[in-house]
Amino acid sequence: AQRVTQPEKLLSVFKGAPVELKCNYSYSGSPELFWYVQYSRQRLQLLLRHISRESIKGFTADLNKGETSFHLKKPFAQEEDSAMYYCALSHSGSARQLTFGSGTQLTVLP
Amino acid sequence: GAGVSQSPSNKVTEKGKDVELRCDPISGHTALYWYRQSLGQGLEFLIYFQGNSAPDKSGLPSDRFSAERTGGSVSTLTIQRTQQEDSAVYLCASRASPAGVNGYTFGSGTRLTVV
Repeated sequence: AQRVTQPEKLLSVFKGAPVELKCNYSYSGSPELFWYVQYSRQRLQLLLRHISRESIKGFTADLNKGETSFHLKKPFAQEEDSAMYYCALSHSGSARQLTFGSGTQLTVLP
Repeated sequence: GAGVSQSPSNKVTEKGKDVELRCDPISGHTALYWYRQSLGQGLEFLIYFQGNSAPDKSGLPSDRFSAERTGGSVSTLTIQRTQQEDSAVYLCASRASPAGVNGYTFGSGTRLTVV
């Protein structure tokens, strides 16, 4: 069965410090992984997807199939990065529904 | 519309009552999904629509939950005989197609409180 694990419910870092939000998955096929972000009082929105191999707002995430991980990283955190972050795995069936992790609340301290 | 609209934004209902939650997806998006976000938990998949049909209802937690979609557009999630454990934020998302290169676009959700 598909499963996404985000081991940290809460994570606090100081402004300018590096940040890494951990995500591990279990999936028997070829995974398609995403990071979604929800800022305070805003709707859930896509941050990045592993297929694109892009950097959004300074964040990157590399899929490591050996470690079944898709950790989200940013070298220098900003206060505006404070938000709830969800890692998600897309199913391979026709619906392509997402299985989400439980989320990590990131707080960037001044 | 420009985004996914959900109504009402908040709903307080008494235990045992029925509720209807509405989702208006982005125009032209054929794939529509309902998720539930409970306190302290992640997002839980409920149901998926492709057009007006729901090929995947596997996530509906009980037979008190049902959903329909008409005209390939608006969807309604109905919860009958609500229970306190139904309290959650119900999110709707749409996508141009299930295999579309873009991710989902989520609505702002309906916060349901069963008292």
